[in-house]
Amino acid sequence: EAGVTQFPSHSVIEKGQTVTLRCDPISGHDNLYWYRRVMGKEIKFLLHFVKESKQDESGMPNNRFLAERTGGTYSTLKVQPAELEDSGVYFCASSQDLTRTQETQYFGPGTRLLVL
Amino acid sequence: AQSVTQLGSHVSVSEGALVLLRCNYSSSVPPYLFWYVQYPNQGLQLLLKYTSAATLVKGINGFEAEFKKSETSFHLTKPSAHMSDAAEYFCAVSDPWNGNTGKLIFGQGTTLQVKP
Repeated sequence: EAGVTQFPSHSVIEKGQTVTLRCDPISGHDNLYWYRRVMGKEIKFLLHFVKESKQDESGMPNNRFLAERTGGTYSTLKVQPAELEDSGVYFCASSQDLTRTQETQYFGPGTRLLVL
Repeated sequence: AQSVTQLGSHVSVSEGALVLLRCNYSSSVPPYLFWYVQYPNQGLQLLLKYTSAATLVKGINGFEAEFKKSETSFHLTKPSAHMSDAAEYFCAVSDPWNGNTGKLIFGQGTTLQVKP
């Protein structure tokens, strides 16, 4: 069974440009999470989808970030316009059953974003 | 708000020595607790989790962790370090009691170096 995949693995863009990150969760997983790790800091929660609905977006930094999960399958995270402080590693994770909050989250390898 | 503290951003041990990575959480109610490991250029992989069953939890690769409510701790141990254990380790919690959506709160990570 394929794990969580993320694309691209790396992205280098200039300040003010737009970048779109993609996450494909494990097939059948209703829950999809985005996290971010800024260099030197802890991994922080961004938002959570249940199928195509945003369940919790309390961690989204500001309105330059837009996440979507059309059809409840893959998700995209768009940053527009990108700022220097958006640099970091963006992780996606998925889990199967929301009713069991101890359900294991499976993480993708991350997208390393560098904004110059 | 929940927080997680990992004492020591870098830990160095000799091959064959005991591994002890420390994690403390802040909560008056026991949360769910997780240890994840990240090998270079890979995603986070679950080592073990505590979900209010046995307080001593055994995980993969010979790791185990003990939940101590009185100390609000969940330290990770392995009796004998192997070179392949060199990686970054993350302690995380989720709070099952406050409308939680399963989001994880992470510590800052501990990089384990294993010397020959």
